[in-house]
Amino acid sequence: GDSVTQMEGPVTLSEEAFLTINCTYTATGYPSLFWYVQYPGEGLQLLLKATKADDKGSNKGFEATYRKETTSFHLEKGSVQVSDSAVYFCALRAGGGNKLTFGTGTQLKVEL
Amino acid sequence: DGGITQSPKYLFRKEGQNVTLSCEQNLNHDAMYWYRQDPGQGLRLIYYSQIVNDFQKGDIAEGYSVSREKKESFPLTVTSAQKNPTAFYLCASSPGTQVSGANVLTFGAGSRLTVL
Repeated sequence: GDSVTQMEGPVTLSEEAFLTINCTYTATGYPSLFWYVQYPGEGLQLLLKATKADDKGSNKGFEATYRKETTSFHLEKGSVQVSDSAVYFCALRAGGGNKLTFGTGTQLKVEL
Repeated sequence: DGGITQSPKYLFRKEGQNVTLSCEQNLNHDAMYWYRQDPGQGLRLIYYSQIVNDFQKGDIAEGYSVSREKKESFPLTVTSAQKNPTAFYLCASSPGTQVSGANVLTFGAGSRLTVL
């Protein structure tokens, strides 16, 4: 079945450091890929998405490129801020319908 | 503002009791979903509904029930048959399968259920 694997957290960085959160997937066909972010005590918000190979999703300084050859969708940001502290979820949608399959989430802590 | 409202935010239940979590959306979305979130396990799909009066089981439906009598509402009942109900429950919605961008989910703020 479809699955998403994320790097385990927590990831702790100093402000202005470079961020990479790895995400790889297993799916049939050509899935759409997503990154969601969850701030403490809140629901999930869509951060960015990509719907086909080589697409790059970007938002708020975050980027992720859909790599079909490596079945990956790694999240990157060049300079993190304390306000980026949250849990980040990688997800995919494969086939028809609207169901999303989520990874286990990666907690990011950014310190001054 | 359009969005999804979940209530209550916190709920405590004694063993053997059924509880119902409310989810209301004013986004005019056709599809609605319930996910369960546990530490280290991410989000798991409980039930989803793509249209009024219809719903399907997700990956972990046992011990839960839902109804979809109105487009705006998708309540989740956690029954006494659910062996480990303590978790954070998230409701979501999306426009529908025929709409561009339909696979983008909008989430509510969640309800935390604790069984005493």
